[in-house]
Amino acid sequence: DAGVIQSPRHEVTEMGQEVTLRCKPISGHNSLFWYRQTMMRGLELLIYFNNNVPIDDSGMPEDRFSAKMPNASFSTLKIQPSEPRDSAVYFCASSLVGAKNIQYFGAGTRLSVL
Amino acid sequence: EDQVTQSPEALRLQEGESSSLNCSYTVSGLRGLFWYRQDPGKGPEFLFTLYSAGEEKEKERLKATLTKKESFLHITAPKPEDSATYLCAVLGGADGLTFGKGTHLIIQP
Repeated sequence: DAGVIQSPRHEVTEMGQEVTLRCKPISGHNSLFWYRQTMMRGLELLIYFNNNVPIDDSGMPEDRFSAKMPNASFSTLKIQPSEPRDSAVYFCASSLVGAKNIQYFGAGTRLSVL
Repeated sequence: EDQVTQSPEALRLQEGESSSLNCSYTVSGLRGLFWYRQDPGKGPEFLFTLYSAGEEKEKERLKATLTKKESFLHITAPKPEDSATYLCAVLGGADGLTFGKGTHLIIQP
């Protein structure tokens, strides 16, 4: 398996623009997680889905952030409008709930908002 | 609220010099404690998961142990390629992981 695939790897945008991050989980996994990593706060959970349904979005910082999972093989995290403080590395992870709950991470998207 | 504290924040060792990394946690209903390795510019890579106090796991030069309040990652005779950031995380009531801020480990030849 190719693992969790994220795109793009790097994104540079200007403040106020819309940003869309994409994730393809490992085939057969039924849970998908979005995390954000910064130097100050480390890795933080933003939102997660079980069987394509959002379960907990309490980590989403503001209404500017939204996430969707239209099917088992694709998810998006959207920021609209983007702000400089959104600059971070965004990771997607997937797991098979009930099977030891091990989460496997993608390579991340490094977002820079100017 | 689940909390994870890792120490030290950074550690520099000579090649072959064994040491331990600490992960202290508070969680309501521990369903698992996880160790990950993260290299610069990459995502966290799964190393171990521990589920109950007294459990131990080993992989090459790494050994993870778990008590009711903390976990240790022991590194025996490390090599330069063991240099990385080591992250500890807990799985509590929700399905998302709560991570510590990591220990940045440097092994000098």
